Amino acid sequence: GNSVTQMEGPVTLSEEAFLTINCTYTATGYPSLFWYVQYPGEGLQLLLKATKADDKGSNKGFEATYRKETTSFHLEKGSVQVSDSAVYFCALSDSRSGANNLFFGTGTRLTVIP
Amino acid sequence: DVKVTQSSRYLVKRTGEKVFLECVQDMDHENMFWYRQDPGLGLRLIYFSYDVKMKEKGDIPEGYSVSREKKERFSLILESASTNQTSMYLCASRYGAYVGTEAFFGQGTRLTVV
Repeated sequence: GNSVTQMEGPVTLSEEAFLTINCTYTATGYPSLFWYVQYPGEGLQLLLKATKADDKGSNKGFEATYRKETTSFHLEKGSVQVSDSAVYFCALSDSRSGANNLFFGTGTRLTVIP
Repeated sequence: DVKVTQSSRYLVKRTGEKVFLECVQDMDHENMFWYRQDPGLGLRLIYFSYDVKMKEKGDIPEGYSVSREKKERFSLILESASTNQTSMYLCASRYGAYVGTEAFFGQGTRLTVV
């Protein structure tokens, strides 16, 4: 089956620190991989995605590379800001019953302190 | 911009009440989803729909039903609300059958059942 295992939180970092949030997946086919972010009081929004092996998704200074050999899609940012404080969800997508379902990890809460 | 709008941000209902959560999207997406978000459990799929009047159960459908009479609207129904259905409910929509497309989320409805 399909599943996503995500690094447990919460994570607390000082401003300008390096961020890594680990994500590994299990998939039956050739999934697409996503990172979504949820800011306080809001719904989820797409942060970045990768649709095939070795693709790198990037946005707002965040990056993640689709590694098929290690079934991983780790999120990284070189220098976090207070405004990056949010919950981050790793997700994969496959086809099921005519619709594309998204499978989510449990989420990692990041708090960045000044 | 794609917009997914959920009818309420906050709801308080009594045990045993029938509860309707409404979701409307404005981008003609075929696929619509209802998720439940709980701390430590991430997002869990309740139901999804890939066309008008088409619906399929997700991972936790018990106690819920859905309705999709028009393409833009997807309703979640709690037939007889119980306290263990207190949660954040998120609606999402997504275009087509390609696994790499982005899902767009509403802002969420925080439901409290007392």
